[in-house]
Amino acid sequence: DVKVTQSSRYLVKRTGEKVFLECVQDMDHENMFWYRQDPGLGLRLIYFSYDVKMKEKGDIPEGYSVSREKKERFSLILESASTNQTSMYLCASRKTGSETQYFGPGTRLLVL
Amino acid sequence: GDSVTQMEGPVTLSEEAFLTINCTYTATGYPSLFWYVQYPGEGLQLLLKATKADDKGSNKGFEATYRKETTSFHLEKGSVQVSDSAVYFCALSSLRRVTFGIGTKLQVIP
Repeated sequence: DVKVTQSSRYLVKRTGEKVFLECVQDMDHENMFWYRQDPGLGLRLIYFSYDVKMKEKGDIPEGYSVSREKKERFSLILESASTNQTSMYLCASRKTGSETQYFGPGTRLLVL
Repeated sequence: GDSVTQMEGPVTLSEEAFLTINCTYTATGYPSLFWYVQYPGEGLQLLLKATKADDKGSNKGFEATYRKETTSFHLEKGSVQVSDSAVYFCALSSLRRVTFGIGTKLQVIP
């Protein structure tokens, strides 16, 4: 079974802090994604990566950056956290050629 | 751009009731269609999918048929259980991108 893990289930940060969210997958998938999930808005794509050191902006990249130094790991960085970044963050991975995404359990981030 | 429309809910049903969650989409080309389910406290997992018109996806008693003429992919189950309580997301995949609906919360009461 594909396993996607996220470094924290719950996180509380202060406005202005730098925040790192880590995601690791163990099935050698080329593609990895970061979404945020908000009530009434569903899932919105922040960034995705289709290979090591490659990244592409999704629909809402402002205020975020990403890093993909190794194939199995995809990090989401909030350079200076703001209260409107309070959300559930979901990481996913997908093998090239397949359309199925595999999701981690999510990180619920609260920015005070 | 691509979009997926579904009701947010919550949909509340008694155990053994019939379930329909509507999903319609707009997309260029010929997308694949999916239903994902999110149980409380968990990430999303694939429930079923269909890759071309008139295909029927099915899993765990749930079914959905890809209707190109009505651009729909409605989710159905004949008899829901309390354990089916979750949020259900309709999604489409086109040109390497996946577009999700807002999710429909289902509550099944004993």
